[in-house]
Amino acid sequence: GMPVEQNPPALSLYEGADSGLRCNFSTTMKSVQWFQQNHRGRLITLFYLAQGTKENGRLKSTFNSKERYSTLHIKDAQLEDSGTYFCAAEAGFASALTFGSGTKVIVLP
Amino acid sequence: AQTIHQWPVAEIKAVGSPLSLGCTIKGKSSPNLYWYWQATGGTLQQLFYSITVGQVESVVQLNLSASRPKDDQFILSTEKLLLSHSGFYLCAWSSNWGEGDTQYFGPGTRLLVL
Repeated sequence: GMPVEQNPPALSLYEGADSGLRCNFSTTMKSVQWFQQNHRGRLITLFYLAQGTKENGRLKSTFNSKERYSTLHIKDAQLEDSGTYFCAAEAGFASALTFGSGTKVIVLP
Repeated sequence: AQTIHQWPVAEIKAVGSPLSLGCTIKGKSSPNLYWYWQATGGTLQQLFYSITVGQVESVVQLNLSASRPKDDQFILSTEKLLLSHSGFYLCAWSSNWGEGDTQYFGPGTRLLVL
């Protein structure tokens, strides 16, 4: 299977709602990054994790290397959270970054 | 603060024509540099990386080549474009090699090959 499986492919949520995205890995990954791609295509780095959980404002991400998954949680969604979110993982610290297929998030007023 | 620029912003080129895309990093010495390609509506694929001037490693062969002529510059090129080269090209940088580090992306270049 794909080394990085990202779900869901798309999701819509109303302003103020919470939601989560998940990436499953077919092999043990050393680190994961999460990005938001805006409508212009710009990739904004959200998190880098080698393990554990990080929070930044309304966003929270967890990476469990042993269980082979990572999650991104959006709390109290705002319109500017709309975009496509990608996870990307490294199998080793000097290996290529492998991206998930992305989750298109639409936040509705 | 580090800034990353890409040029051109967008290009429309004919099949078989040459291509040169550029990426410059300011405010960071000896960055690790990367090129990525994204098909329309698709995910990103790492193409090349470079950890030092004059050294480039290929990750995926797409009939493209890359060079690093200066510490702060990364060039992606081909002598003959294919239709399949259309897409969005992103340059990225990171600080550490072999230890894992966040990658930061440039604004990208949109390429349409006709």
